[in-house]
This record gives sequence, C-alpha cells and structure tokens, in this order.
Amino acid sequence: DTGVSQNPRHKITKRGQNVTFRCDPISEHNRLYWYRQTLGQGPEFLTYFQNEAQLEKSRLLSDRFSAERPKGSFSTLEIQRTEQGDSAMYLCASSFEGELFFGSGTQLSVL
Amino acid sequence: GESVGLHLPTLSVQEGDNSIINCAYSNSASDYFIWYKQESGKGPQFIIDIRSNMDKRQGQRVTVLLNKTVKHLSLQIAATQPGDSAVYFCAESPTGANSKLTFGKGITLSVRP
Repeated sequence: DTGVSQNPRHKITKRGQNVTFRCDPISEHNRLYWYRQTLGQGPEFLTYFQNEAQLEKSRLLSDRFSAERPKGSFSTLEIQRTEQGDSAMYLCASSFEGELFFGSGTQLSVL
Repeated sequence: GESVGLHLPTLSVQEGDNSIINCAYSNSASDYFIWYKQESGKGPQFIIDIRSNMDKRQGQRVTVLLNKTVKHLSLQIAATQPGDSAVYFCAESPTGANSKLTFGKGITLSVRP
C-alpha cells in the first residue's frame, strides 16, 4: 500500500496521559498536514510541514500539542495531559504539488 | 470568521437518479474548491476540484458547479450508485490545491436500492 499510513488506528487512553500518533506520508510528498475531525464535522486544520519545517499552526493547537517531522519524512503528533475534549479522529494528509491525500486516521478516545 | 458550510445534513436518493449536493462558502478570497467523499472508517477521498476562474468542471459521473456571485458550490453525481453512499464535504483554499483547506460540515448521501 503506497498511500498515507497512520498508526495506531485506534487509541484509548485515560485523561491526563500522553499519547503519540505517527503518520507516514506518500513517498516523496514534501508537504504533510495534520487535521482533527469530530463526528459529523469536517476536518479542522491543525498544522502542516513542508519537508521538516513546520510552517503553520492553528490556534486549535494548544501548548499540549506538538508535532514533529524530523527528517522530512514521517511525522508524529503528541498530545500531553490528554483531556476528554481531545477525543476525535486525527487525520494526516500529504501532498506534493497537487491534491491532498488523506490517511485513514487515528481515532482517539479519552476516558 | 470565514466559514464553509453545507445546506442539508442528509440526502436520500434512489439508485440510478442524479444527486445534487450543495455548499455555501463565505470567504470571497477563496480561489480553489474541492469536493471530498468520506466512507466510514476512512479518510476523505478527493473527488473533483475547481478553480475560481471556472464555473463548471466535469469528471467521470461528477460535475462541480461554482457560482461566485452567490458563493455557492454544488456537486452533481449522475446515475447514483450504492457505492456513492458516503459523507461528502466541500472544502476551500485561498491559494490552491497544495495548501491548508477549510472544510464545511458533512452531508450524508444515502442511496436507496
């Protein structure tokens, strides 16, 4: 499968715990995006990278959230001290010079 | 703030009929519009896009219409099939395909056999 890969597919955690998600973009895609989606809503932009540089962060991305793309390939999204309001689908997308290709997401449930 | 939204939350159509899904946007600076389809348990999948210098674009069984005067976008699906059942989102960007997208709320398309 050469699409965008996200792991894990599902994550259940207790409030206050830290979680980390991984995204492997399509090979040679220079841009990588993180979105968050809640039930019935469209995805909301969180942040994006061009190669290893994080170029934009949404105001939705509080200081508990951090994203990295250290070598310009895969990316990680970490949420510290999770809250119930963090429960959502976290989607990753990548692109080169055209459309965004989305992964299947990581579904986070914070109990 | 700027927003992109859909008029109806659900749409039910008979298999073989044509479907029309509508979307309104408020950012007059938007230059690029996209329709995505999302099936259960999957990420959004690109369907068709259109730039602001066009008012119509056709793909295979799908047509996107853009009315900049009233800031309205629609997706037409010809001969709707059961496999078209999904949630559909419109999205917009001020700069183009390879940039941050603002999505509207989803509309569920249900195809009756």
